[in-house]
Amino acid sequence: EPEVTQTPSHQVTQMGQEVILRCVPISNHLYFYWYRQILGQKVEFLVSFYNNEISEKSEIFDDQFSVERPDGSNFTLKIRSTKLEDSAMYFCASRDGETSYNEQFFGPGTRLTVL
Amino acid sequence: AQSVTQLDSQVPVFEEAPVELRCNYSSSVSVYLFWYVQYPNQGLQLLLKYLSGSTLVKGINGFEAEFNKSQTSFHLRKPSVHISDTAEYFCAVSFSSASKIIFGSGTRLSIRP
Repeated sequence: EPEVTQTPSHQVTQMGQEVILRCVPISNHLYFYWYRQILGQKVEFLVSFYNNEISEKSEIFDDQFSVERPDGSNFTLKIRSTKLEDSAMYFCASRDGETSYNEQFFGPGTRLTVL
Repeated sequence: AQSVTQLDSQVPVFEEAPVELRCNYSSSVSVYLFWYVQYPNQGLQLLLKYLSGSTLVKGINGFEAEFNKSQTSFHLRKPSVHISDTAEYFCAVSFSSASKIIFGSGTRLSIRP
């Protein structure tokens, strides 16, 4: 069964450093999402991406964040200058463009630790 | 504004007992409703979804949920829980076919032998 994959599973970085989190969505999917979950808190929406552009973003998704689909398979989230409060689990999700309902398939997550 | 409220942050139950995890939502438009499960140190797995039609929705692992429009609720139930059901359960809504999913704060289900 096709699934969303994410790498790395755990990333440790120093405050102020840039990180890139990588996702490989399900191959025929057209809509892509990033969510994050700070430890012990709920899952929060960051950004959605369709047709090579951002379709919606939350207030969390400030200028430090960017997303890209550099090729036909990867979907990346870049944090330019990490802060301590960026420490969280980051989930990628994707959905196809044919079903009328919004079933998003989630990856296993990348745990980002900012020291 | 649309929101999701999970009324219980933790629910302890004995093994083989029934369980209900409560979820209420707020929306002025039609919604799609979901329950996701997160096992320890894992990602999110879809348990079940309500899109339209029958208000009783059956999902994986013996779980079911009932959509109640008048009470704006979507409570999750299982008639007999197992140790393996120990996890965090998230109720979630979305408001169009491509929009973001809004999650509740989660309910931690702990099963006592």
